[in-house]
Amino acid sequence: NAGVTQTPKFRILKIGQSMTLQCTQDMNHNYMYWYRQDPGMGLKLIYYSVGAGITDKGEVPNGYNVSRSTTEDFPLRLELAAPSQTSVYFCASTGTSGYNEQFFGPGTRLTVL
Amino acid sequence: TQLLEQSPQFLSIQEGENLTVYCNSSSVFSSLQWYRQEPGEGPVLLVTVVTGGEVKKLKRLTFQFGDARKDSSLHITAAQPGDTGLYLCAAPMNNNAGNMLTFGGGTRLMVKP
Repeated sequence: NAGVTQTPKFRILKIGQSMTLQCTQDMNHNYMYWYRQDPGMGLKLIYYSVGAGITDKGEVPNGYNVSRSTTEDFPLRLELAAPSQTSVYFCASTGTSGYNEQFFGPGTRLTVL
Repeated sequence: TQLLEQSPQFLSIQEGENLTVYCNSSSVFSSLQWYRQEPGEGPVLLVTVVTGGEVKKLKRLTFQFGDARKDSSLHITAAQPGDTGLYLCAAPMNNNAGNMLTFGGGTRLMVKP
């Protein structure tokens, strides 16, 4: 099992450009999450999904969109990138058993100039 | 809002020293998790504590959940450079249809050889 995979690993965008961060998990988890982590800080929840076709906003959703057409994939879309979106983005997933332990991808480091 | 406060924020020690980091809240949690994040990687689950007063050991790491389930500590004995990283505590949010976690701000540990 690959677990949670994210692409790309690094990306530099110009202000106003758009991009999609990809996230895929092969653990058949229903719940998936997108976080951002600013330098020296913890994790802030951007969006989450409880299953295919269902998404909802987290703590910091402005400037982002998501979709969940399949159980495996949960892409994050940035429209009109801004310098404030410079961050490291992590995708995570969890199943329905246990204590909500989350499995994280390796992250995407995004710089907006 | 449920908040998890971690202390200290930063810790730099020599190899072989012992250390304790803390995760505190005014809220009661059903369980609490500790993650370690190495530079350039996503967080990885170390342990979940569930019962008030519970102590779990993972090699040189000892985790304790407070009797009232509002706080937790992580003690590392004879720290090694491989212990370097960001230590995050996390707990399930209340009224949590999305199986979401709230994360502390983290303790960044550097162990010098």
